[in-house]
Amino acid sequence: SQKIEQNSEALNIQEGKTATLTCNYTNYSPAYLQWYRQDPGRGPVFLLLIRENEKEKRKERLKVTFDTTLKQSLFHITASQPADSATYLCALENYGGSQGNLIFGKGTKLSVKP
Amino acid sequence: DVKVTQSSRYLVKRTGEKVFLECVQDMDHENMFWYRQDPGLGLRLIYFSYDVKMKEKGDIPEGYSVSREKKERFSLILESASTNQTSMYLCASSFSKLAGGFADTQYFGPGTRLTVL
Repeated sequence: SQKIEQNSEALNIQEGKTATLTCNYTNYSPAYLQWYRQDPGRGPVFLLLIRENEKEKRKERLKVTFDTTLKQSLFHITASQPADSATYLCALENYGGSQGNLIFGKGTKLSVKP
Repeated sequence: DVKVTQSSRYLVKRTGEKVFLECVQDMDHENMFWYRQDPGLGLRLIYFSYDVKMKEKGDIPEGYSVSREKKERFSLILESASTNQTSMYLCASSFSKLAGGFADTQYFGPGTRLTVL
């Protein structure tokens, strides 16, 4: 079955630096991969989706890359701010499951210090 | 904007009680999901539904049941609550598969923090 891993449980960085979060998966390569943000006590919120034929995708200070050879996605936040502090989840299709079924990583908790 | 609402933000119940968690979405989504989220375990899928009156078991369905009588509403039922069901419960919804047949973006509710004493 598909497995998804986010290498770091927690990442601490200084304000203004670039945060880089990693998502690795095993087995099959998905057609696309999604990133979500979750604040404490709240539900996840969708941020970005990148397709397998897209090497890179950007949205404001966010950048996502997708390397199907390495079976890895990187999520970057440039010029990070304390307000970026949250848990970030990656997700992809639970292949073999019924339609619409995503599998989520356990998340990386990002703390941006002023 | 898509809105997914859950009936309670916080809920305290006693062991053995029957518990209903309600979820409503306002975007005519076909798919609806119930997850629980625990520290160190991440999001785990309990049940999902891809149409009215349809349901499928997720990874951890034991001790739970669901009901989807209307498209916009998906209920999670704990038939006899136990202390190990203390958790954050999250409901989500999505459109049916994108063109090409793959999982779509999910929209989550705010969550219900359930404590079973």
